[in-house]
Amino acid sequence: QQQVKQSPQSLIVQKGGIPIINCAYENTAFDYFPWYQQFPGKGPALLIAIRPDVSEKKEGRFTISFNKSAKQFSLHIMDSQPGDSATYFCAASMGSSNTGKLIFGQGTTLQVKP
Amino acid sequence: NAGVTQTPKFRVLKTGQSMTLLCAQDMNHEYMYWYRQDPGMGLRLIHYSVGEGTTAKGEVPDGYNVSRLKKQNFLLGLESAAPSQTSVYFCASSHGQGRAFFGQGTRLTVV
Repeated sequence: QQQVKQSPQSLIVQKGGIPIINCAYENTAFDYFPWYQQFPGKGPALLIAIRPDVSEKKEGRFTISFNKSAKQFSLHIMDSQPGDSATYFCAASMGSSNTGKLIFGQGTTLQVKP
Repeated sequence: NAGVTQTPKFRVLKTGQSMTLLCAQDMNHEYMYWYRQDPGMGLRLIHYSVGEGTTAKGEVPDGYNVSRLKKQNFLLGLESAAPSQTSVYFCASSHGQGRAFFGQGTRLTVV
């Protein structure tokens, strides 16, 4: 059962473009939504995260937009650079479970061309 | 500060062999997790632990066992490896809900 659905599977943009990665969730009990960035041969690393009491969060060139009613959230990368080429995962968790378990989307491979 | 360290980084097993993957964290985190990563499927939770001496099943626990005898270590065992267990395995730790720190991964091939 895939509780977090991520799209697209892959994305190619030119340097300076604004790639957008989308995620949808089913469980309304989720209350923490992080994005992880993974480079080849490395483990995922937290990029940015949001809680459902806000609709947008920005950290540098990375922005999460959150739509609670639609149960969707997305990652926008402003002024994308070749160094942003990586795999991105959205995730969700429930604070009420007291386990910290993360449910991940399928991942998006981003390539930023020079 | 090493963070989360996984041993080994690569391994090739024959079908039916057993092995143990070791995860060690030095951040005094209560929570630890084992995930497997397969193309197009994201990261799926195998087993997790919410404290020393505790373990629980995740989304895909069949064929794996775990132990958390010490707070800083979380072991993942394969008793009889199968080709379907060919994957990249990641260990992670956290304080609970919030930032999870991942290791570098173990690439396992079962032939």
